[in-house]
Amino acid sequence: EIVMTQSPVTLSLSPGERATLSCRASQSVTSTYLSWYQQKPGQAPRLLIYGASTRASGVPARFSGSGSGTDFTLTISSLQPEDFAVYYCQQDYNLPYTFGQGTKLEIK
Amino acid sequence: EVQLVQSGAEVKKSGESLRISCKGSGYSFTTYWIAWVRQMPGKGLEWMGLIYPGDSDTRYSPSFQGQVTISADKSITTAFLQWSSLKASDSAMYYCARRGSSTAFDIWGRGTMVAVSP
Repeated sequence: EIVMTQSPVTLSLSPGERATLSCRASQSVTSTYLSWYQQKPGQAPRLLIYGASTRASGVPARFSGSGSGTDFTLTISSLQPEDFAVYYCQQDYNLPYTFGQGTKLEIK
Repeated sequence: EVQLVQSGAEVKKSGESLRISCKGSGYSFTTYWIAWVRQMPGKGLEWMGLIYPGDSDTRYSPSFQGQVTISADKSITTAFLQWSSLKASDSAMYYCARRGSSTAFDIWGRGTMVAVSP
């Protein structure tokens, strides 16, 4: 099983700041199969990024993804109030498909 | 509109059986995998397994193999997650999600809350 480890667990930032969230896989993951999701309280997860770097439909350009192999990054260039949420990375390269434990992005 | 509509919240007792559902609409139901994801209270997302409704090919996470059964009825474009004997530890929110052509899970249901009393 590929273990996905996200860091930090909690990130405290202010609106307007840049956020950098990391995701590390225990073994190499083809970029095609690395995704990022956003989850707000009381809501279902929402796909943000697929293929490591492609924004899903309707996702603002301030969200970007990068990385390859075992190290991936989600960057939010200038935080908006609605961006404070929990973010998960996921690999669907090898079964079982696995999620990271999440990074909670909170308002400082 | 492409959507997954999940069945309503359930309150059950330990030892009871349960089947929850996820109805797809607005797309070709038989040609996309449907996954189930568990979220225990205050915790993260756990991938349970997925099914290809076209031929019912099903894959499970080892953590959930033997604990639940995933099925689908393509005639009613619905996927199911079922338990034969619930435990209190099954109390959680359960989401279904479509694995899109991008390979990521692009469409999610709103979730079904399952509460199991000891």
